[in-house]
Amino acid sequence: NAGVTQTPKFQVLKTGQSMTLQCAQDMNHEYMSWYRQDPGMGLRLIHYSVGAGITDQGEVPNGYNVSRSTTEDFPLRLLSAAPSQTSVYFCASKKAGGGAVNEQFFGPGTRLTVL
Amino acid sequence: KQEVTQIPAALSVPEGENLVLNCSFTDSAIYNLQWFRQDPGKGLTSLLLIQSSQREQTSGRLNASLDKSSGRSTLYIAASQPGDSATYLCAVGSSNTGKLIFGQGTTLQVKP
Repeated sequence: NAGVTQTPKFQVLKTGQSMTLQCAQDMNHEYMSWYRQDPGMGLRLIHYSVGAGITDQGEVPNGYNVSRSTTEDFPLRLLSAAPSQTSVYFCASKKAGGGAVNEQFFGPGTRLTVL
Repeated sequence: KQEVTQIPAALSVPEGENLVLNCSFTDSAIYNLQWFRQDPGKGLTSLLLIQSSQREQTSGRLNASLDKSSGRSTLYIAASQPGDSATYLCAVGSSNTGKLIFGQGTTLQVKP
């Protein structure tokens, strides 16, 4: 299994540009989520999904859109990039249910700079 | 609102020392707690997951404990090695949906 994969690894955007950060997992995990990591702020939840067609907002959703059309993919869209969105973005996934399946797996991250 | 705090922010120890990393949380109604390791410029690697009904979990030289009543978890690393140098993150889950609240991490340096 490749686990959780993210593309691109690095991206530089100009203010106002749009882009999509890709996330895919091959573990048949129902739950997927997006976090951003900023110095001094730790990781914060942007959006999450508990299954195909179901998404909800996290702690810092403004400026980001998501959709979940398949179990495997959970793309994150920036419609009009702002310098405040300069960050490292991580995608994560886990299986539904309780107990040990609650372990979350993270992708390698996308480092985004908005000029 | 759940808040997760990790103290100290940075720690430097000589190789071979046993050490404890601390994590505290404000709301004891947690679903689980997960410890991660993050190497510079890399993603997060899961180390240990503790369910709310558990008191501790062990994996190799790592032992994580959970005391919900006091809002604390500790990560014990035995016989530290230079390869243990990394940032250690504590994250609290409030439900089984995968939503995690993270602490800001403890950056560990183990000197040879």
